Amino acid sequence: AQSVAQPEDQVNVAEGNPLTVKCTYSVSGNPYLFWYVQYPNRGLQFLLKYITGDNLVKGSYGFEAEFNKSQTSFHLKKPSALVSDSALYFCAVRDANTGGFKTIFGAGTRLFVKA
Amino acid sequence: ETGVTQTPRHLVMGMTNKKSLKCEQHLGHNAMYWYKQSAKKPLELMFVYSLEERVENNSVPSRFSPECPNSSHLFLHLHTLQPEDSALYLCASSQDVSDGNQPQHFGDGTRLSIL
Repeated sequence: AQSVAQPEDQVNVAEGNPLTVKCTYSVSGNPYLFWYVQYPNRGLQFLLKYITGDNLVKGSYGFEAEFNKSQTSFHLKKPSALVSDSALYFCAVRDANTGGFKTIFGAGTRLFVKA
Repeated sequence: ETGVTQTPRHLVMGMTNKKSLKCEQHLGHNAMYWYKQSAKKPLELMFVYSLEERVENNSVPSRFSPECPNSSHLFLHLHTLQPEDSALYLCASSQDVSDGNQPQHFGDGTRLSIL
């Protein structure tokens, strides 16, 4: 069965500092991995995805994520945080081998960036 | 207008009322989804439609009734809801249900409160 874990409910970081939001996953086959962001009173917005190839993927707003197969992780990173990055972040996974349409989302991590 | 639009944005209803949530996508996608988002819980997939055909009913109580008259419109009909049904209901679309490597595009949700 597929599952996603975001071990931190909240991450606090000072503006200008690097940030990391953690995600680990479990699938029986190869994973398709996604990060989404949700701002207050808005829906989820796609940030980036890993399908295959280079383990480091770059996405919107300067975010990037590193796929680590041995650790089954897909941590979201940004070299220099902005106050406007404060939001709720969701990691998600789909099993590429079994196909199907079910995307499993983590419970979310709230990011606070302090000025 | 582009993207995924949900109406109404907010809805307050009594347990005996009947109401409907509406979702419209302008992306030319073939798949549409209903999710329930409750505080500090992962997104719960409720229903999936592919080209107007329901392909997933994720053990959702019958008081929620979806309708997909065409690939651009999706409704969620509500009847005799319970207080625990209060949540943010999100609609999403994707190119096809079988394209696991494509992200979903979300509307901004309907905030539902059951009195």
